[in-house]
Amino acid sequence: SYVLTQPPSVSVAPGKTARITCGGNNIGSKSVHWYQQKPGQAPVLVIYYDSDRPSGIPERFSGSNSGNTATLTISRVEAGDEADYYCQVWDSSSDHQVFGGGTKLTVL
Amino acid sequence: QVQLQESGPGLVKPSETLSLTCTVSGGSISSYYWSWIRQPPGKGLEWIGYIYYSGSTNYNPSLKSRVTISVDTSKNQFSLKLSSVTAADTAVYYCASTGYQQKHPMDVWGKGTTVTVSS
Repeated sequence: SYVLTQPPSVSVAPGKTARITCGGNNIGSKSVHWYQQKPGQAPVLVIYYDSDRPSGIPERFSGSNSGNTATLTISRVEAGDEADYYCQVWDSSSDHQVFGGGTKLTVL
Repeated sequence: QVQLQESGPGLVKPSETLSLTCTVSGGSISSYYWSWIRQPPGKGLEWIGYIYYSGSTNYNPSLKSRVTISVDTSKNQFSLKLSSVTAADTAVYYCASTGYQQKHPMDVWGKGTTVTVSS
């Protein structure tokens, strides 16, 4: 089965740039979606199809995907960005949805 | 704007069957894929399975032997049944929509419902 690997935690100072990676075998050939989850809340889609932003998501959120790594980039990080972030793909070979293990973003 | 609402018992006894329903409002259940996802306390998201409005399904292999997802288009609802539950099935259960194709993002989520497995 397809596996997505995320770092358990990332820390960043306010105003700086956070990069959260999502590793998978040839993930660049798949469409990657990213979700933000704050404590006690349902996940919210922040990036879809590698780099598109839903309406209402700040331009500070961006994404890229190539080779074996997809990356969620949050520029000018704010305290309100502190949350868990999950990457997700649909594995066409198995017809299964797959989530990464999640990354806790801490704003110092 | 489509909204999803999970409903069902918050407490299930070990070895019994967990049953949840997701009600779709603000839109039709037709033509879309619908998923169930769960999150054990303090852990990450786990995809349980999906159903297409026509009734075709696919499940997480780790749960496949115990999971059934069904759809009732007349009620605009889809449901989850998980049999032979144990404490490891204690989690927040979410329903979500995946759009016209499986590769689409899960762009609408329910608020989630907490299910505790305990005697």
